[in-house]
Amino acid sequence: RKEVEQDPGPFNVPEGATVAFNCTYSNSASQSFFWYRQDCRKEPKLLMSVYSSGNEDGRFTAQLNRASQYISLLIRDSKLSDSATYLCVVNPPDRYSGGGADGLTFGKGTHLIIQP
Amino acid sequence: EPEVTQTPSHQVTQMGQEVILRCVPISNHLYFYWYRQILGQKVEFLVSFYNNEISEKSEIFDDQFSVERPDGSNFTLKIRSTKLEDSAMYFCASSGGTVMGNQPQHFGDGTRLSIL
Repeated sequence: RKEVEQDPGPFNVPEGATVAFNCTYSNSASQSFFWYRQDCRKEPKLLMSVYSSGNEDGRFTAQLNRASQYISLLIRDSKLSDSATYLCVVNPPDRYSGGGADGLTFGKGTHLIIQP
Repeated sequence: EPEVTQTPSHQVTQMGQEVILRCVPISNHLYFYWYRQILGQKVEFLVSFYNNEISEKSEIFDDQFSVERPDGSNFTLKIRSTKLEDSAMYFCASSGGTVMGNQPQHFGDGTRLSIL
């Protein structure tokens, strides 16, 4: 199983600032990409899927660069509640015609601390 | 919002004993997964399950592990003879899946397994 690499941080950022995370993945045939967030000792929660054209959800913007095998997440106007670990997650090539059967490959996560 | 539910939230077991972790996936989902997260480490894929059989398993999922969908709602992970190194948080996940590709996986809040 191929790896997903992230800067572990921590990123200490003042409230209201903009912060960006990056991750790289090694399997060029990967098909689906996601950002999850994980609070301490909690389950991963889906933040957003990442599409080839880039996508935005409120204060969050995700970008995918397939040529460089690079995924980014931008958080604008950061809030105290954004403090968490952000997990870059990749779905390897789908070997099944029905889709959905493959396990996810997680990065170790980037720890974000928003300071008041 | 539909949720994946897991029981128990915390399981303490003597080394060498069998343990069964239980999950109720989201009701209209077709794909089911187990992951584990050792304290301080990344989330690791164990196994995926579709159409009443294992679709994919990782190298972690050896002969000590088994999964079952005993009825229309439950999805279980059994560890036959637990080892100290099995101590971890175990997450169940489910996804819809379509012929167009992978759908995001939604995670339960986990079972913390402590082996003594």
